[in-house]
Amino acid sequence: RKEVEQDPGPFNVPEGATVAFNCTYSNSASQSFFWYRQDCRKEPKLLMSVYSSGNEDGRFTAQLNRASQYISLLIRDSKLSDSATYLCVLRAGNQFYFGTGTSLTVIP
Amino acid sequence: NAGVTQTPKFQVLKTGQSMTLQCAQDMNHEYMSWYRQDPGMGLRLIHYSVGAGITDQGEVPNGYNVSRSTTEDFPLRLLSAAPSQTSVYFCASGVSYNEQFFGPGTRLTVL
Repeated sequence: RKEVEQDPGPFNVPEGATVAFNCTYSNSASQSFFWYRQDCRKEPKLLMSVYSSGNEDGRFTAQLNRASQYISLLIRDSKLSDSATYLCVLRAGNQFYFGTGTSLTVIP
Repeated sequence: NAGVTQTPKFQVLKTGQSMTLQCAQDMNHEYMSWYRQDPGMGLRLIHYSVGAGITDQGEVPNGYNVSRSTTEDFPLRLLSAAPSQTSVYFCASGVSYNEQFFGPGTRLTVL
């Protein structure tokens, strides 16, 4: 069983739309959670950390539900530049586990 | 401040050859790690290090060796390359267990 499961998509949304991604994890001892963004043929880059109380960074909102073992990412007012693959990541002990990523394309 | 650098960017090997992928960081990060990324599999941890002289195995360590003689460098050695090791390899570093900074990757093909 994979540590982290994500819907691979693709999600194709018009500019200005709101889109949400979910990610489930299997290890209840997971300690830290993140969303990374990866552009085509580039390295992953941190988008935001995810805190238990939920957190927001501009148009991006991340939520963590430890009881149900999932995290979510909400993107409001989508921009063309948001087109990328979004990776759900968790840390358990010394190791990081990555989801396979959800592909987002924002259409003009 | 160059961040995380990886060399080479591209490499083609024949089955059975050995090689070393280089990774260096200039941010004085204690934590460094190697991942491979394959289609449909996501990034998988190969080996990691929490400081100079300390290394440990990740999810997929077989066929790879690492060492960490300095804080800055964390090379990954392929002992005897196999076609199953064809992948994109990313090195990352970070402060403790927070944000990981990734290098640009090495695209390896084993024939």
